[in-house]
Amino acid sequence: QSALTQPASVSGSPGQSITISCTGTSSDVGGYNYVSWYQQHPGKAPKLMIYEVSDRPSGISNRFSGSKSGNTASLTISGLQAEDDGDYYCSSYTSTSTLVFGTGTKVTVL
Amino acid sequence: QVHLVESGGGVVQPGESLRLSCAASGFTFTSYGMNWVRQAPGKGLEWVAFVSYDRINKYYAESVKGRFTISRDNSKNTLYLQMNSLRAEDTAVYYCANGGEVVVTRIDSWGQGTLVTVSS
Repeated sequence: QSALTQPASVSGSPGQSITISCTGTSSDVGGYNYVSWYQQHPGKAPKLMIYEVSDRPSGISNRFSGSKSGNTASLTISGLQAEDDGDYYCSSYTSTSTLVFGTGTKVTVL
Repeated sequence: QVHLVESGGGVVQPGESLRLSCAASGFTFTSYGMNWVRQAPGKGLEWVAFVSYDRINKYYAESVKGRFTISRDNSKNTLYLQMNSLRAEDTAVYYCANGGEVVVTRIDSWGQGTLVTVSS
């Protein structure tokens, strides 16, 4: 199972919106509404930000939103803040009952 | 509050074995599937293995299939990962994580990780 494809880096100024893409195939992203997004700060464990394409766990800011079209899912961070700086990973359930992660995107708040 | 504490990491030589443990608390362990996810130094996340809440379903990444075995003891709220025939490319921080019931659709919570280094 190949990793899902994400851009290596995305940047934006405070207050702006950015979008991170996550491209897979019909055997993962396109086939199921089980796409999740995680935030990871350096030296820390990842944290679930979005699950089932667009749902937010309790306590996650509504500045984070998710969507999906075909084989590509997206995470949008609106009203960018300094604390949003970090690495972001998508994941998807697959047709072989496994989980596959994306390649990761480094978000830089300018 | 979910608490997952991994242990058992260390330095081993290629071909050797290692067993990781994860003590879980703060949630109903017997209601959750459990996972191991790893991250090589400076690299991205790689899902490794899943065991369902009832221990019936087990799934593995192709990269570890036949070498690693995931198991759980629901009476002790503990997850394990038996790693055999270790290779240099298995060097990573290994995270214990809960998520899913009978299959893994997402990772809900993560431990802080334990480092496994495979080197001669």
